[in-house]
Amino acid sequence: QSVLTQPPSVSAAPGQKVTISCSGSSSNIGNNYVSWYQHLPETAPKLLIFENNKRPSGIPDRFSGSMSGTSATLGITGVQTGDEADYYCGTWDNNLSAGVFGGGTRLTVL
Amino acid sequence: QVQLVQSGSELRKPGASVKVSCKASGYIFTSYAMHWVRQAPGQGLEWMGWINTNTGNPVYGQGFTGRFVFSLDTSVTTAYLEISSLKADDTAVYYCARHGSGSYYFLDNWGQGTLVTVSS
Repeated sequence: QSVLTQPPSVSAAPGQKVTISCSGSSSNIGNNYVSWYQHLPETAPKLLIFENNKRPSGIPDRFSGSMSGTSATLGITGVQTGDEADYYCGTWDNNLSAGVFGGGTRLTVL
Repeated sequence: QVQLVQSGSELRKPGASVKVSCKASGYIFTSYAMHWVRQAPGQGLEWMGWINTNTGNPVYGQGFTGRFVFSLDTSVTTAYLEISSLKADDTAVYYCARHGSGSYYFLDNWGQGTLVTVSS
């Protein structure tokens, strides 16, 4: 069981918007920044969002992050077939003194 | 540009040891901590711990004490993960990942992963 809770899967048609939620607690999301990672098969995970809502250089503004209380959300607008991947949220947990990830959400582009 | 290049796939028998390397380039190696992350077959990402590349001090996550050792060779800007007394459920892809800039936790660059298979 992951410390952070994500839906196992989401789907969207090309061009639509999709959101992926990540739920935690006061010991993690509630008091630490959230990051999001895209993991395509057979590749290295890629950082999409850090510090809740910042994008590294090279990440298109179709990807966005938001946070409220003990939950975070990744938004993807104008979904493309190339966005099919597993998406993970991550943060630090103060009680565990450890990095923690969500269980991952598989995005399917219909 | 920042690159983390890991060693190739390994096949080991139960009880053996394995050492995975992570060669860093494109930045000052000792300025960024290095983390290790595991992905077992069909599972999600699991944080294993990190090593301070300036002091060499490792910090291990729950479930990764005893048989797991993080180490460095700063002369060749390489981090290592060694696993001893291998078990079948150590079969996984192991990633090294660089700690992001600043003090907050995020992983900004990842190695390509090393598949370790433990089978008799």
